[in-house]
Amino acid sequence: QKEVEQNSGPLSVPEGAIASLNCTYSDRGSQSFFWYRQYSGKSPELIMFIYSNGDKEDGRFTAQLNKASQYVSLLIRDSQPSDSATYLCAASSGGSYIPTFGRGTSLIVHP
Amino acid sequence: DADVTQTPRNRITKTGKRIMLECSQTKGHDRMYWYRQDPGLGLRLIYYSFDVKDINKGEISDGYSVSRQAQAKFSLSLESAIPNQTALYFCATSDFGATEAFFGQGTRLTVV
Repeated sequence: QKEVEQNSGPLSVPEGAIASLNCTYSDRGSQSFFWYRQYSGKSPELIMFIYSNGDKEDGRFTAQLNKASQYVSLLIRDSQPSDSATYLCAASSGGSYIPTFGRGTSLIVHP
Repeated sequence: DADVTQTPRNRITKTGKRIMLECSQTKGHDRMYWYRQDPGLGLRLIYYSFDVKDINKGEISDGYSVSRQAQAKFSLSLESAIPNQTALYFCATSDFGATEAFFGQGTRLTVV
């Protein structure tokens, strides 16, 4: 069974701090990785995707991938209260490319 | 208009009733998915389809069926609804390959 694991949280950080969200995956054949943000009762929306080992930065967001350790992370710099949401990690395996989602980490950014 | 549209958005139904959730998309994607979301359990795959003639079971297909009426339409049916099928249901689409999934607005289903 292909699994994506996340700590459910909640992760609570003060406004302006760096939030660090982590994810591990079991399928070594996974080739692409996605971070989605989901506000309560809303649909997930893509924040970042990463395919290669290393870091990928987009504005306040940085995704990090370590395929050897089967580990993906998302850093949010200068966290804002509007970043408070559930963050879903997803892995897409080679071949079928069907996305498998983790359970999500709840992030709370307090003023 | 949304690229992926789900109807209805909310539905309350009684145990034993048959219910259909519909999904249509204007993204032009071949791949469509139905996911179920329960608190603390993330998104779990019910069924997926890679084209009109292709239907595949996901990890939690028992009690559900699907129909791919056209490239743009993928419907999910609960033949005889039961209370533990109360959940938030999402339809999603994607292009071929390791690309992102695009989600509908979700259908909140309550079975009483």
